[in-house]
Amino acid sequence: NAGVTQTPKFRVLKTGQSMTLLCAQDMNHEYMYWYRQDPGMGLRLIHYSVGEGTTAKGEVPDGYNVSRLKKQNFLLGLESAAPSQTSVYFCASSYSSSGLAGDRNEQFFGPGTRLTVL
Amino acid sequence: GESVGLHLPTLSVQEGDNSIINCAYSNSASDYFIWYKQESGKGPQFIIDIRSNMDKRQGQRVTVLLNKTVKHLSLQIAATQPGDSAVYFCAENTGRRALTFGSGTRLQVQP
Repeated sequence: NAGVTQTPKFRVLKTGQSMTLLCAQDMNHEYMYWYRQDPGMGLRLIHYSVGEGTTAKGEVPDGYNVSRLKKQNFLLGLESAAPSQTSVYFCASSYSSSGLAGDRNEQFFGPGTRLTVL
Repeated sequence: GESVGLHLPTLSVQEGDNSIINCAYSNSASDYFIWYKQESGKGPQFIIDIRSNMDKRQGQRVTVLLNKTVKHLSLQIAATQPGDSAVYFCAENTGRRALTFGSGTRLQVQP
């Protein structure tokens, strides 16, 4: 199994350009997430999905859109890139369990996409 | 969220010593916690988790302690090795199927 993969690994954009980051997982996980990580900081949740066809906003959703048309894929879009979106983007996925409080929620992470917006 | 800017707290230990990395979490309703390890240029990697109904959990060379009274989590690494050098993050599950990450601690292992 490849686990969680992300494309591209690196990208440089000019301000105002658009792009889509692709995340794929082959573990049949229900849940998928997009995070950004800025230098010296922890990960901040952008958007997440609890299943095919559903998405929800995280902590820092502004300037991003997402889609989950297929269970194994989660796309992150930047419609008009800004320098403040320069960051490393991580995708993660996790399996669903019974829905009871205290569910295990181990997330498996991809290798990251380093994005620079000039 | 919390931020320490460009300067992560750093713990420097000698190879073979035990390491203790601490984390304060914010939400008293959090019911599940994870420690992740992140090596340079890679995504976070799961180390160990603990539910809120436990005080301690042990893995291979690692132990997580949870003190709900003061909302404190710690990761203990026994016999620290050079390969343990990385940034360590604690994360809490706030019940909405997403994790909130702390800002991380850099562990440097001196040979």
